[in-house]
Amino acid sequence: AAGVIQSPRHLIKEKRETATLKCYPIPRHDTVYWYQQGPGQDPQFLISFYEKMQSDKGSIPDRFSAQQFSDYHSELNMSSLELGDSALYFCASSLLSKWVYGYTFGSGTRLTVV
Amino acid sequence: AQSVSQHNHHVILSEAASLELGCNYSYGGTVNLFWYVQYPGQHLQLLLKYFSGDPLVKGIKGFEAEFIKSKFSFNLRKPSVQWSDTAEYFCAVNAGSARQLTFGSGTQLTVLP
Repeated sequence: AAGVIQSPRHLIKEKRETATLKCYPIPRHDTVYWYQQGPGQDPQFLISFYEKMQSDKGSIPDRFSAQQFSDYHSELNMSSLELGDSALYFCASSLLSKWVYGYTFGSGTRLTVV
Repeated sequence: AQSVSQHNHHVILSEAASLELGCNYSYGGTVNLFWYVQYPGQHLQLLLKYFSGDPLVKGIKGFEAEFIKSKFSFNLRKPSVQWSDTAEYFCAVNAGSARQLTFGSGTQLTVLP
C-alpha cells in the first residue's frame, strides 16, 4: 500500500540558509501534519493542513512556513536556519473524518544545519 | 493543555521477559490515546489506540494497553518480549477538539538476546 512519502530523506544546510521539505500524503488523505523531533526528544507538533487550509498550529517558529497544494502534497519552508533546527521532520497524513484511528507517518527528513 | 509523562526512559529486558511501560496523561476531558513504536532510523508506527469502548486494547505484534481513567494511565504491556522489540516507544494523547498528538518523551526498550 502507498505510504506517506517525504523528500529529501537527508538534507545538510548551513546556518542562515533556507530549506524546503516535501510531503506527499497517502492518496485520498485530505489532512497533513508536520512534526519536529530533535535529537533524543519527543516529536513536537508544528502545523497541520486540511483541504489546503491551515487547520491547527503548534510550536512552529515564525521563520518557518508551510502550505498544502491542490494535489494535497505539503511543503515546509524553513528560512534563516539555525543550528537548533537540526532535527528529524515527520509528516503524517489522515482522512479528517477518520483521523482518530491514528494517522500514518512518513519516514521523515533528517535536517542537519552546520 | 494536555501533557504526557513516560517515567521509564530506558528499559532493558532479556528475551521472554514481560514488559510494562508506563504512560500518564493530564487532561480532564475525553481523550484519545495511542502508542507508537519507532525502530532505529525508521518512522513512527502505530501499535495500538484507544478512543472508546473496552479499556483493554490489543495492538499489533502482541502488544496491549489498558486505559485506566481514574489513574489517567494507558500502560503498554507485552507478556514476552523479543529481541526484535528493541525500539523506542512513544505514548501520545489527543484531547479536546484538536487533532494533533502530544507525545511523551519516549521509552527506549532494549531486549537482550
